[in-house]
Amino acid sequence: ETGVTQTPRHLVMGMTNKKSLKCEQHLGHNAMYWYKQSAKKPLELMFVYNFKEQTENNSVPSRFSPECPNSSHLFLHLHTLQPEDSALYLCASSQADLAGGEGEQYFGPGTRLTVT
Amino acid sequence: GQQLNQSPQSMFIQEGEDVSMNCTSSSIFNTWLWYKQDPGEGPVLLIALYKAGELTSNGRLTAQFGITRKDSFLNISASIPSDVGIYFCAGQLRETSGSRLTFGEGTQLTVNP
Repeated sequence: ETGVTQTPRHLVMGMTNKKSLKCEQHLGHNAMYWYKQSAKKPLELMFVYNFKEQTENNSVPSRFSPECPNSSHLFLHLHTLQPEDSALYLCASSQADLAGGEGEQYFGPGTRLTVT
Repeated sequence: GQQLNQSPQSMFIQEGEDVSMNCTSSSIFNTWLWYKQDPGEGPVLLIALYKAGELTSNGRLTAQFGITRKDSFLNISASIPSDVGIYFCAGQLRETSGSRLTFGEGTQLTVNP
């Protein structure tokens, strides 16, 4: 595998389900990100992890719970979602410097989530 | 916070035409990036710019970092159907601790054969 991979590519879940999205980066980067992309809206940054530590949570509802067990893997745990949470969820990684400044971000293919 | 205005929002062109899109910022950046997103896929990095005035090409794509450090443009020459997609600009001020990329809202490009 190369680059940034995400599984599953498509997910349909009911509002009472619990599911997890997985992201893995094979680039040796030390920062990982979750974005939400809804139709006709700009990319929305959700969470940032630098060196496995969460450094940003952009007022994301608690029904989204990130987990970063190591610098190569990032998860997004989902529970009790709403239909408006249906979107493309993108993972990205970059090589952050020691001051925390980001480098170029490389994206995975995304998970298309539909909440019914 | 920083804001990026990307224009146009959408473009409909004929195959073979040249395309130009741009981004302007309310504050300065020292990095500009251009991405392309195909339908159902994640954005792919096309060009990275690190210096004011820098002009960089990648095949039929050319991007420039504006002298004022508040703008950048992307040109696509002799467009082909596979150029269809959404093009995003992103800017960053890397000297700032914890600096984040700021993304534009995207330009949707349609190329008619």
